[in-house]
Amino acid sequence: EVLLVESGGGLVEPGGSLRLSCVVSGFTFSRYGMIWVRQAPGKGLEWLSFISRFDDRRDYADSVRGRFTVSRDNAENSLYLDMNRLRPDDTAVYYCARDGHRYFDSWGRGTLVIVSS
Amino acid sequence: QTVVTQDPSLSVSPGGTVTLTCGFDSGSLSSAYFPSWYQQTPGQAPRTLIYNTNIRSSGVPDRFSGSILGTKAALTITGAQAEDECNYFCLVFMGGGTWVFGGGTYLTVL
Repeated sequence: EVLLVESGGGLVEPGGSLRLSCVVSGFTFSRYGMIWVRQAPGKGLEWLSFISRFDDRRDYADSVRGRFTVSRDNAENSLYLDMNRLRPDDTAVYYCARDGHRYFDSWGRGTLVIVSS
Repeated sequence: QTVVTQDPSLSVSPGGTVTLTCGFDSGSLSSAYFPSWYQQTPGQAPRTLIYNTNIRSSGVPDRFSGSILGTKAALTITGAQAEDECNYFCLVFMGGGTWVFGGGTYLTVL
């Protein structure tokens, strides 16, 4: 069974930093690109970032480029999202997803990030 | 910045047929953008329904189908059921490692 489990969410003050993790199981992690998506309360889904299988390509949405950094550790079956200079409008549930080749074929349950003083 | 548009809300009668659409604010959305569709009930993670325009994901009932209608991607539900009442999001592949979601459609079954 394919499983993706996010962690690392929580309450952080504006301007602060947070690292999200996504640990996967049930498939060969190094064979897949991975994605981060978020959903603000009551809002739609927003694609944030992509990292290729061997980390030779990283892409970001304009809303997070320069503040967020995606990375992965294939030996640990783990995906990460380092979030810096956080703002209140970054408050959202953050999902990791697997790239099924031009679409997202598996999703985690998400982790909630709240940016507030 | 590319904007992908969806009707904010639609309704369908139980057993009826409804088509949700997904398009660009300008230009034509074709299969070349590999549109996909996701279903999301409140508080839950999205569920993949359709990918590459019209391929049903594993376990998805055949009452869900995808297509291109004119200049838009479409998700058609034939024989809607009460459990289909929720949010539906389309996703468009923009090339490289970038995607854009539509704003979502809330479907009411009544």
